[in-house]
Amino acid sequence: ETGVTQTPRHLVMGMTNKKSLKCEQHLGHNAMYWYKQSAKKPLELMFVYSLEERVENNSVPSRFSPECPNSSHLFLHLHTLQPEDSALYLCASSQDAPQAPNEKLFFGSGTQLSVL
Amino acid sequence: AQKITQTQPGMFVQEKEAVTLDCTYDTSDPSYGLFWYKQPSSGEMIFLIYQGSYDQQNATEGRYSLNFQKARKSANLVISASQLGDSAMYFCAMRGISSGSARQLTFGSGTQLTVLP
Repeated sequence: ETGVTQTPRHLVMGMTNKKSLKCEQHLGHNAMYWYKQSAKKPLELMFVYSLEERVENNSVPSRFSPECPNSSHLFLHLHTLQPEDSALYLCASSQDAPQAPNEKLFFGSGTQLSVL
Repeated sequence: AQKITQTQPGMFVQEKEAVTLDCTYDTSDPSYGLFWYKQPSSGEMIFLIYQGSYDQQNATEGRYSLNFQKARKSANLVISASQLGDSAMYFCAMRGISSGSARQLTFGSGTQLTVLP
């Protein structure tokens, strides 16, 4: 069983659909993250949760809505997305919210999202 | 503000040879950490190696070593004895300690490494 599991692996949705991405970590970590990886662009941090509290929101449009019901699960709810939102969405976790420079992130395999 | 620059979009190396992937960074933080991650075609980002800005020695992890030159603000990844399974995208990343950047792991644009048989 991998440390960070993301479902689904692939998702195709229309601009009017509502869907959710799921992430689960089995590492006993306290912090979870959503990153967006677009083609030919560096990874962009979207949200950070520490002990189920959102501690970072990087000016992400409201059509992306995160939810962290407990320290092991993280969701990204999607609605009325745009074609430019097509990307690989990566979930990550770390032992603690990253106060120390050496805090390592452990990533899932991502959800490849295509918005038509 | 932090910035990571990877100037090699793609690199080729012959199997069993060593390869160096370049990374330069810019930060005003007095203390920071530098990371390298590997992303195979499966999509998962895999942590490879970490270097602290105040570490006296260059970090090593198996076949991976980090050539850290603080004055030049470079943190190049050296992979020795390349294997076919090393073919992947490689990302350099950093995190500082200031309150604005502490939670941000800033990534470079990546280098696509292809190992040739």
